[in-house]
Amino acid sequence: EIVMTQSPATLSVSPGERATLSCRASQSLSSNLAWYQQKPGQAPRLLIFGASTRATGVPARFSGSGSGTDFTLTISSLQSEDFAVYYCQQYNNWPYTFGQGTKLEIK
Amino acid sequence: EVQLLESGGGLVQPGGSLRLSCAASGFTFSSYASTWVRQPLGKGLEWVSAITETGGYTYYADSVKGRFTISRDYSKNALYLQMNGLRAEDTAIYYCAKISRGYFGMDVWGPGTTVTVSS
Repeated sequence: EIVMTQSPATLSVSPGERATLSCRASQSLSSNLAWYQQKPGQAPRLLIFGASTRATGVPARFSGSGSGTDFTLTISSLQSEDFAVYYCQQYNNWPYTFGQGTKLEIK
Repeated sequence: EVQLLESGGGLVQPGGSLRLSCAASGFTFSSYASTWVRQPLGKGLEWVSAITETGGYTYYADSVKGRFTISRDYSKNALYLQMNGLRAEDTAIYYCAKISRGYFGMDVWGPGTTVTVSS
């Protein structure tokens, strides 16, 4: 099974600033990686697939990059609604696996 | 509107069984693979199981293999998760999700149903 490791566990950033979240895979995924956002009491929401393609309706301030084993989610100018937990997930191999999540909190 | 709605959660004793259902609407259910993901309270997401568009292939996490069975009913646009031999560690919110065309992530999620395994 592919192990996904996210860092940091918690990230404190001020509104309007940039946030950079990392995700590392235990083996190469090519670009078969997705990012999800989850707010309290809600189901996850797909943000990015194919490592860098925004899902429908996702604002342009969200961008994904990377390939192979190292991936990054960047939020260019944080809005109040962006403070949430973010998960990466690989779909290169079964079983699918998620990272443990990064909590993005207001500084 | 594309929607998924889970049902069937509840309280069950260790060793017991439960069947979760997920009703799909607003899209051609038979054209997409489907999956179950769970989340213990206050913890992260864990992928549980998936089934292909045709139902010909099924996949499971090691933690549930041999105990859970995923299936789908095209006539009812429904996805199921039969859970047997339940353990305390199976306690979680269970989400069903639609896998996007081409298997590029899970693009539609239900609100979840809560399963509690406790005596």
